[in-house]
Amino acid sequence: DTAVSQTPKYLVTQMGNDKSIKCEQNLGHDTMYWYKQDSKKFLKIMFSYNNKELIINETVPNRFSPKSPDKAHLNLHINSLELGDSAVYFCASSPRLQGASLGYTFGSGTRLTVV
Amino acid sequence: AQTVTQSQPEMSVQEAETVTLSCTYDTSENNYYLFWYKQPPSRQMILVIRQEAYKQQNATENRFSVNFQKAAKSFSLKISDSQLGDTAMYFCAFIPSKNAGGTSYGKLTFGQGTILTVHP
Repeated sequence: DTAVSQTPKYLVTQMGNDKSIKCEQNLGHDTMYWYKQDSKKFLKIMFSYNNKELIINETVPNRFSPKSPDKAHLNLHINSLELGDSAVYFCASSPRLQGASLGYTFGSGTRLTVV
Repeated sequence: AQTVTQSQPEMSVQEAETVTLSCTYDTSENNYYLFWYKQPPSRQMILVIRQEAYKQQNATENRFSVNFQKAAKSFSLKISDSQLGDTAMYFCAFIPSKNAGGTSYGKLTFGQGTILTVHP
């Protein structure tokens, strides 16, 4: 199936740990994104990569580091996890930066719980 | 910077009836795109409908239609013949067009969301 897939879907971890979330899209899109949805369901962009190049880097703590090994993959690594990092993280893609006018295709989200 | 505001935290409707969700936005751009996304309890973000700002005609997709008022910066979603499966959180979103520059380029900005419950 053509899609944006994220793994894992659920992640429970202790404070201070380091964890990664993986994202892959097989839509042939050039641009990928990470969004954070907080406990109030508000969605906010964190990062955007266009053909492996970082385009958007919102005010996100340095503990969050995205990595794009190729244009089909965008991973999110989080160091020294804190309670406030608990949220749902969505990966998304669009055909290209200019093609974002067609809307994004979203993954199913990763619910991260820090205890 | 763009902002998107959904002033209705929650709405409810009876099955088969019609409901309208409100959205306003603020931007200095002239060319942009607006969207409504649906997020059911499954958490998946689903694109419901899309509107191009330079088109005066309101977009429609089956039971879903929008009322786009560019001068008022308003973009409401009307759901006709509501179904139980329409129960979800609905997000209004904005993105500047490819001809716009600045830091908002390529960034989809969301409203706070409206929880819609369809009752049998």
